[in-house]
Amino acid sequence: GEDVEQSLFLSVREGDSSVINCTYTDSSSTYLYWYKQEPGAGLQLLTYIFSNMDMKQDQRLTVLLNKKDKHLSLRIADTQTGDSAIYFCAEKGGLTGGGNKLTFGTGTQLKVEL
Amino acid sequence: EPEVTQTPSHQVTQMGQEVILRCVPISNHLYFYWYRQILGQKVEFLVSFYNNEISEKSEIFDDQFSVERPDGSNFTLKIRSTKLEDSAMYFCAAGQENQETQYFGPGTRLLVL
Repeated sequence: GEDVEQSLFLSVREGDSSVINCTYTDSSSTYLYWYKQEPGAGLQLLTYIFSNMDMKQDQRLTVLLNKKDKHLSLRIADTQTGDSAIYFCAEKGGLTGGGNKLTFGTGTQLKVEL
Repeated sequence: EPEVTQTPSHQVTQMGQEVILRCVPISNHLYFYWYRQILGQKVEFLVSFYNNEISEKSEIFDDQFSVERPDGSNFTLKIRSTKLEDSAMYFCAAGQENQETQYFGPGTRLLVL
């Protein structure tokens, strides 16, 4: 079945850029997503990218997709303490593959230090 | 961001009891989902629902689970006879016709004793 993997922890200093990486196995992925989860809260959709694109920028967020290597990354510019959270990568398979369900990674805990 | 709401936020139940988790999806969304996250583990897909029927379900979604949308607004997940291993955070999600995005609710934390 589909699998999505992420590193578990990332620590950065306030003002630096953060880069969170994700790899996936489903070659028929149609969309890839980044969700943010703050303590005790739900999953907030941050951004997403269609599999035919290789980059998407949205304010401080930049998503890079290398479809050949099945590698997705999320760059947060000028990281702030409010960015501290768990970041989940997720993929949605093609209609012949996984339907509409999302397959999630383990989540990366981002800690922003002063 | 569009809002999906869920009730209750927390539920504690005894093993073997039935629980019903409720979700109010975004009004113009047509696709509905349940996911769960056992503490320390990945978010896992349970079931998707469209046009008043299940469109896809995972291996986790056995005959102890059911979903319905009885009144055209609330979307419910019922667990008939809860087990200890059903303890998890349960997330409802909603998606539009174009199926590009899924917006998640805040979750219901279920604890089975």
